[in-house]
Amino acid sequence: DIQMTQSPSSLSASVGDTVTISCRASDTIINSVHWYQQKPGGAPKFLVLSNARFKTAVPSRFSGGGGGTEFTLTIDSLQIDDCATYFCQQSDRLWTFGQGTRIEI
Amino acid sequence: QMRLQESGPRLVRPSETLTLTCTVSGESLTSIPSYWTWIRQPPGKGLEFIANIYHRGDTYFSPSLKSRVSISADTSKNQFSLKLKSVTAADTATYFCARYDSSADSLAFDFWGPGIPVTVSS
Repeated sequence: DIQMTQSPSSLSASVGDTVTISCRASDTIINSVHWYQQKPGGAPKFLVLSNARFKTAVPSRFSGGGGGTEFTLTIDSLQIDDCATYFCQQSDRLWTFGQGTRIEI
Repeated sequence: QMRLQESGPRLVRPSETLTLTCTVSGESLTSIPSYWTWIRQPPGKGLEFIANIYHRGDTYFSPSLKSRVSISADTSKNQFSLKLKSVTAADTATYFCARYDSSADSLAFDFWGPGIPVTVSS
Protein backbone atom coordinates (compact mmCIF):
# COMPACT_ATOMS: atom_id res chain seq x y z
CA ASP A 1 0.00 0.00 0.00
CA ILE A 2 0.95 3.62 -0.43
CA GLN A 3 0.26 5.54 2.77
CA MET A 4 -0.99 9.11 2.50
CA THR A 5 -0.20 11.44 5.40
CA GLN A 6 -1.98 14.77 5.61
CA SER A 7 -1.02 17.85 7.57
CA PRO A 8 -2.27 19.58 9.50
CA SER A 9 -5.00 17.38 10.95
CA SER A 10 -7.04 20.51 11.61
CA LEU A 11 -6.73 24.23 11.15
CA SER A 12 -8.66 27.37 12.03
CA ALA A 13 -8.75 30.28 9.62
CA SER A 14 -10.76 33.39 8.80
CA VAL A 15 -12.97 34.26 5.86
CA GLY A 16 -10.78 35.57 3.06
CA ASP A 17 -7.66 33.68 4.16
CA THR A 18 -5.63 31.42 1.92
CA VAL A 19 -5.07 27.96 3.37
CA THR A 20 -2.91 25.10 2.18
CA ILE A 21 -3.25 21.44 3.10
CA SER A 22 -0.36 19.07 2.49
CA CYS A 23 -0.40 15.40 1.63
CA ARG A 24 2.73 13.27 1.68
CA ALA A 25 2.83 9.87 -0.01
CA SER A 26 4.98 7.00 1.30
CA ASP A 27 6.17 6.33 -2.25
CA THR A 28 6.38 8.26 -5.49
CA ILE A 29 2.98 8.80 -7.10
CA ILE A 30 2.93 8.51 -10.87
CA ASN A 31 -0.76 9.12 -11.45
CA SER A 32 -2.95 11.86 -10.01
CA VAL A 33 -3.61 12.59 -6.36
CA HIS A 34 -7.16 13.75 -5.79
CA TRP A 35 -8.88 15.75 -3.10
CA TYR A 36 -12.34 15.35 -1.59
CA GLN A 37 -14.44 17.64 0.58
CA GLN A 38 -16.71 16.13 3.20
CA LYS A 39 -19.21 18.00 5.30
CA PRO A 40 -20.69 16.53 8.51
CA GLY A 41 -23.18 13.78 7.78
CA GLY A 42 -22.47 13.85 4.05
CA ALA A 43 -20.59 11.86 1.47
CA PRO A 44 -17.20 13.02 0.19
CA LYS A 45 -17.29 15.25 -2.87
CA PHE A 46 -14.59 15.06 -5.53
CA LEU A 47 -12.74 18.39 -5.82
CA VAL A 48 -9.62 18.75 -8.01
CA LEU A 49 -6.87 16.92 -9.85
CA SER A 50 -3.31 17.03 -8.61
CA ASN A 51 -2.13 18.50 -11.90
CA ALA A 52 -4.29 21.50 -11.08
CA ARG A 53 -6.94 20.86 -13.69
CA PHE A 54 -10.28 21.02 -11.98
CA LYS A 55 -13.85 20.17 -12.67
CA THR A 56 -16.00 23.01 -13.91
CA ALA A 57 -18.31 22.56 -10.92
CA VAL A 58 -15.53 23.35 -8.44
CA PRO A 59 -14.95 27.02 -7.52
CA SER A 60 -11.77 28.36 -9.11
CA ARG A 61 -10.36 29.27 -5.70
CA PHE A 62 -9.66 25.57 -5.14
CA SER A 63 -6.44 24.33 -6.72
CA GLY A 64 -4.22 21.31 -6.41
CA GLY A 65 -0.53 20.98 -7.00
CA GLY A 66 2.58 18.98 -6.39
CA GLY A 67 4.09 15.74 -7.60
CA GLY A 68 6.30 12.88 -6.59
CA THR A 69 5.51 12.43 -2.92
CA GLU A 70 4.35 15.92 -1.97
CA PHE A 71 0.93 17.28 -2.90
CA THR A 72 -1.09 20.30 -1.82
CA LEU A 73 -4.61 21.62 -1.85
CA THR A 74 -4.88 25.41 -1.69
CA ILE A 75 -8.07 27.32 -1.03
CA ASP A 76 -7.91 31.00 -1.84
CA SER A 77 -10.30 33.53 -0.31
CA LEU A 78 -11.72 31.05 2.19
CA GLN A 79 -15.52 31.11 2.50
CA ILE A 80 -17.85 29.96 5.27
CA ASP A 81 -19.07 27.20 2.97
CA ASP A 82 -15.53 25.75 2.89
CA CYS A 83 -15.86 24.51 6.49
CA ALA A 84 -15.36 20.80 5.97
CA THR A 85 -12.89 17.94 6.19
CA TYR A 86 -10.62 17.42 3.20
CA PHE A 87 -9.05 14.11 2.18
CA CYS A 88 -6.32 13.33 -0.34
CA GLN A 89 -6.37 10.03 -2.26
CA GLN A 90 -4.00 8.05 -4.48
CA SER A 91 -4.78 5.41 -7.08
CA ASP A 92 -1.28 4.24 -8.10
CA ARG A 93 -1.43 1.05 -6.02
CA LEU A 94 -4.96 0.16 -5.02
CA TRP A 95 -6.64 3.17 -3.43
CA THR A 96 -5.80 4.91 -0.17
CA PHE A 97 -6.86 8.15 1.49
CA GLY A 98 -5.19 10.56 3.84
CA GLN A 99 -6.56 10.78 7.36
CA GLY A 100 -8.24 14.12 6.68
CA THR A 101 -7.79 17.81 7.50
CA ARG A 102 -10.62 19.61 9.23
CA ILE A 103 -11.00 23.30 8.39
CA GLU A 104 -12.79 25.52 10.87
CA ILE A 105 -13.65 29.15 10.34
CA GLN B 1 -27.05 12.25 -13.74
CA MET B 2 -25.56 9.19 -12.09
CA ARG B 3 -26.89 8.26 -8.68
CA LEU B 4 -25.82 5.58 -6.24
CA GLN B 5 -27.84 4.38 -3.26
CA GLU B 6 -26.73 1.99 -0.54
CA SER B 7 -29.15 -0.39 1.15
CA GLY B 8 -28.89 -3.03 3.82
CA PRO B 9 -29.11 -3.57 7.58
CA ARG B 10 -28.05 -0.84 9.96
CA LEU B 11 -27.45 -3.22 12.83
CA VAL B 12 -25.49 -6.45 12.60
CA ARG B 13 -24.56 -8.83 15.38
CA PRO B 14 -20.92 -9.74 15.99
CA SER B 15 -19.66 -12.76 13.99
CA GLU B 16 -22.45 -12.39 11.42
CA THR B 17 -22.09 -11.46 7.75
CA LEU B 18 -22.87 -7.93 6.62
CA THR B 19 -24.43 -7.69 3.18
CA LEU B 20 -24.84 -4.30 1.50
CA THR B 21 -26.18 -3.47 -1.94
CA CYS B 22 -25.60 -0.41 -4.08
CA THR B 23 -28.17 0.46 -6.72
CA VAL B 24 -26.86 2.54 -9.58
CA SER B 25 -29.03 4.73 -11.80
CA GLY B 26 -28.03 6.92 -14.73
CA GLU B 27 -25.05 4.74 -15.67
CA SER B 28 -24.69 1.13 -16.70
CA LEU B 29 -22.68 -1.20 -14.50
CA THR B 30 -20.98 -2.30 -17.73
CA SER B 31 -19.68 1.24 -18.37
CA ILE B 32 -16.12 0.78 -19.54
CA PRO B 33 -14.20 3.23 -17.32
CA SER B 34 -16.17 2.41 -14.16
CA TYR B 35 -14.92 0.51 -11.15
CA TRP B 36 -17.75 0.04 -8.65
CA THR B 37 -16.36 0.55 -5.21
CA TRP B 38 -17.10 0.17 -1.51
CA ILE B 39 -15.44 2.56 0.94
CA ARG B 40 -16.08 2.85 4.66
CA GLN B 41 -15.57 5.47 7.36
CA PRO B 42 -15.58 4.57 11.07
CA PRO B 43 -17.13 7.22 13.29
CA GLY B 44 -14.88 10.28 13.47
CA LYS B 45 -12.20 8.68 11.32
CA GLY B 46 -10.93 8.66 7.76
CA LEU B 47 -11.91 6.85 4.59
CA GLU B 48 -10.90 3.25 3.93
CA PHE B 49 -11.06 1.50 0.55
CA ILE B 50 -12.68 -1.93 0.91
CA ALA B 51 -13.13 -3.44 -2.56
CA ASN B 52 -14.23 -2.79 -6.10
CA ILE B 53 -15.37 -4.62 -9.19
CA TYR B 54 -14.96 -3.92 -12.88
CA HIS B 55 -17.50 -4.89 -15.50
CA ARG B 56 -15.27 -7.69 -16.81
CA GLY B 57 -15.41 -9.23 -13.36
CA ASP B 58 -11.99 -8.02 -12.19
CA THR B 59 -12.00 -7.40 -8.45
CA TYR B 60 -9.63 -5.60 -6.09
CA PHE B 61 -9.56 -5.83 -2.31
CA SER B 62 -7.97 -4.06 0.61
CA PRO B 63 -5.20 -6.39 1.84
CA SER B 64 -6.38 -5.95 5.42
CA LEU B 65 -9.95 -7.01 4.61
CA LYS B 66 -9.42 -9.41 1.73
CA SER B 67 -9.93 -12.57 3.78
CA ARG B 68 -13.40 -11.46 4.91
CA VAL B 69 -14.76 -9.58 1.89
CA SER B 70 -16.48 -10.54 -1.33
CA ILE B 71 -17.97 -8.30 -3.98
CA SER B 72 -20.35 -9.11 -6.80
CA ALA B 73 -22.40 -7.38 -9.47
CA ASP B 74 -25.85 -7.98 -10.92
CA THR B 75 -25.94 -6.22 -14.27
CA SER B 76 -29.62 -7.10 -14.80
CA LYS B 77 -30.53 -5.02 -11.75
CA ASN B 78 -27.64 -2.55 -12.14
CA GLN B 79 -26.57 -3.32 -8.59
CA PHE B 80 -23.38 -4.41 -6.90
CA SER B 81 -23.04 -5.92 -3.47
CA LEU B 82 -20.56 -6.29 -0.64
CA LYS B 83 -20.35 -9.16 1.83
CA LEU B 84 -18.21 -8.75 4.93
CA LYS B 85 -18.12 -11.83 7.11
CA SER B 86 -17.30 -12.37 10.76
CA VAL B 87 -17.95 -8.75 11.67
CA THR B 88 -16.76 -7.20 14.92
CA ALA B 89 -17.24 -3.82 16.58
CA ALA B 90 -14.27 -2.57 14.53
CA ASP B 91 -16.44 -2.88 11.42
CA THR B 92 -18.87 -0.25 12.75
CA ALA B 93 -18.76 2.49 10.12
CA THR B 94 -20.63 4.39 7.48
CA TYR B 95 -20.34 2.43 4.26
CA PHE B 96 -20.27 4.30 0.96
CA CYS B 97 -20.57 2.97 -2.53
CA ALA B 98 -18.83 5.03 -5.20
CA ARG B 99 -17.89 5.02 -8.86
CA TYR B 100 -14.20 5.16 -9.68
CA ASP B 101 -13.65 6.61 -13.12
CA SER B 102 -10.56 5.01 -14.58
CA SER B 103 -10.46 7.38 -17.56
CA ALA B 104 -6.96 8.79 -18.06
CA ASP B 105 -8.11 12.35 -17.31
CA SER B 106 -9.99 11.35 -14.14
CA LEU B 107 -8.80 8.41 -12.00
CA ALA B 108 -11.11 9.60 -9.22
CA PHE B 109 -14.15 8.64 -7.20
CA ASP B 110 -16.48 11.08 -8.89
CA PHE B 111 -19.88 9.83 -7.76
CA TRP B 112 -20.81 8.65 -4.29
CA GLY B 113 -23.87 7.31 -2.55
CA PRO B 114 -25.05 9.12 0.58
CA GLY B 115 -23.69 6.33 2.79
CA ILE B 116 -25.33 3.88 5.16
CA PRO B 117 -24.37 3.77 8.84
CA VAL B 118 -23.82 0.23 10.11
CA THR B 119 -23.39 -0.69 13.77
CA VAL B 120 -22.02 -4.02 14.91
CA SER B 121 -23.48 -4.82 18.30
CA SER B 122 -25.24 -7.60 20.12
